[in-house]
Amino acid sequence: EIVLTQSPGTLSLSPGERATLSCRASQSVSSNYLAWYQQKPGQAPRLLIYGASSRATGIPDRFSGSGSGTDFTLTISRLEPEDFAVYYCQQYGSTGTFGQGTKVEIK
Amino acid sequence: EMQLVESGGGLVQPGGSLRLSCATSGFTFSNYEMNWVRQAPGKGLEWVSYISSSGDTIHYADSVKGRFIISRDNAKNSLYLQMNSLRAEDTAVYYCARADDFWSRLLDYWGQGTLVTVSS
Repeated sequence: EIVLTQSPGTLSLSPGERATLSCRASQSVSSNYLAWYQQKPGQAPRLLIYGASSRATGIPDRFSGSGSGTDFTLTISRLEPEDFAVYYCQQYGSTGTFGQGTKVEIK
Repeated sequence: EMQLVESGGGLVQPGGSLRLSCATSGFTFSNYEMNWVRQAPGKGLEWVSYISSSGDTIHYADSVKGRFIISRDNAKNSLYLQMNSLRAEDTAVYYCARADDFWSRLLDYWGQGTLVTVSS
């Protein structure tokens, strides 16, 4: 089973700053079947990125994904107030395991 | 508007049973594969179970295999999760989630979740 490790655990930034979140897999993720989700308190997760770099429907272009193999990155170019949330990566090529999450909090 | 609405959560004693439902609307339910995902309080996401659009292919996480049963009723646009032999570690918010058109574990729409608490 592929294990996903996200870092850092918490990212403290100010609105307008750039956020860079990492997701590392224990083995290569086939065909870049790597997704990112955003979850706000009390809400369900929302799909942001799939295929490592494709934005889901309605997702603003300040969100971008990159990477391949075992190392993936989610970048938020300029943080808006509504972007402060927890972000999860997921590999969906097999069992659908998630990383443990990165919290982006207001500094 | 697409909607997924879970129900059936609540407080249950260890060893007990509970049946969750997920009522859907706004899309052709019978065309889509579906999943259950759970989240323990203050913790991350854990995939629980998958069912194909026709119901003939089913998968479970090892943590629930032999205790949980996923099913669906395409005529009622509904998904179910029968949970038996419940343990304290099953305490979580349970989400139903629709699978993308092409990948069975890529979850493009989620319900708001229903809380299951297993405690004596």
